[in-house]
Amino acid sequence: QQQVKQSPQSLIVQKGGISIINCAYENTAFDYFPWYQQFPGKGPALLIAIRPDVSEKKEGRFTISFNKSAKQFSLHIMDSQPGDSATYFCAGRRGYSTLTFGKGTMLLVSP
Amino acid sequence: DGGITQSPKYLFRKEGQNVTLSCEQNLNHDAMYWYRQDPGQGLRLIYYSQIVNDFQKGDIAEGYSVSREKKESFPLTVTSAQKNPTAFYLCASSIERGTEAFFGQGTRLTVV
Repeated sequence: QQQVKQSPQSLIVQKGGISIINCAYENTAFDYFPWYQQFPGKGPALLIAIRPDVSEKKEGRFTISFNKSAKQFSLHIMDSQPGDSATYFCAGRRGYSTLTFGKGTMLLVSP
Repeated sequence: DGGITQSPKYLFRKEGQNVTLSCEQNLNHDAMYWYRQDPGQGLRLIYYSQIVNDFQKGDIAEGYSVSREKKESFPLTVTSAQKNPTAFYLCASSIERGTEAFFGQGTRLTVV
């Protein structure tokens, strides 16, 4: 089983700060890397995704940084807000295969 | 509204009983998936189906069974053979395997 290793397991950030979640993958054939956001009691929802031909993708306050040589990618949440408090999952996928998820990061943004 | 409906939201069963979780989608998606979520374990794939009357085992299929008789429906049965059935179960669908997955709201199963 090809793994995606996610860290940290939990994170507390003050309102207005930057939240950073990191993931590392093993399968060099992965060509799609999404991030999902999950609120308590709800299903995950796609937040932002990147392909390995770019090093960074930004959507609003959310940015994915991708380092192909290190086989790592990270999610940065700028100006973190209490409404961003959720569990975040990174994932990887090769072609038309199924997603391989990281174990998740519980983010708490304190007011 | 288009979407994925999982029912019920909460389910309680006695140990040794089989239980079936419902998943219905009206997105006209070909592919459907079942995941299990445990605290600190992420999402683990149980079964997936790319087309009606066809499905494949995921990483943790033991103790589970599925059927795909209709495009819109992909029920999951948790059998008595599943040793630790208490978990949060998520159903998802995508246009086809390998495209963006949309998740339902989940069913929390508690076996006592």
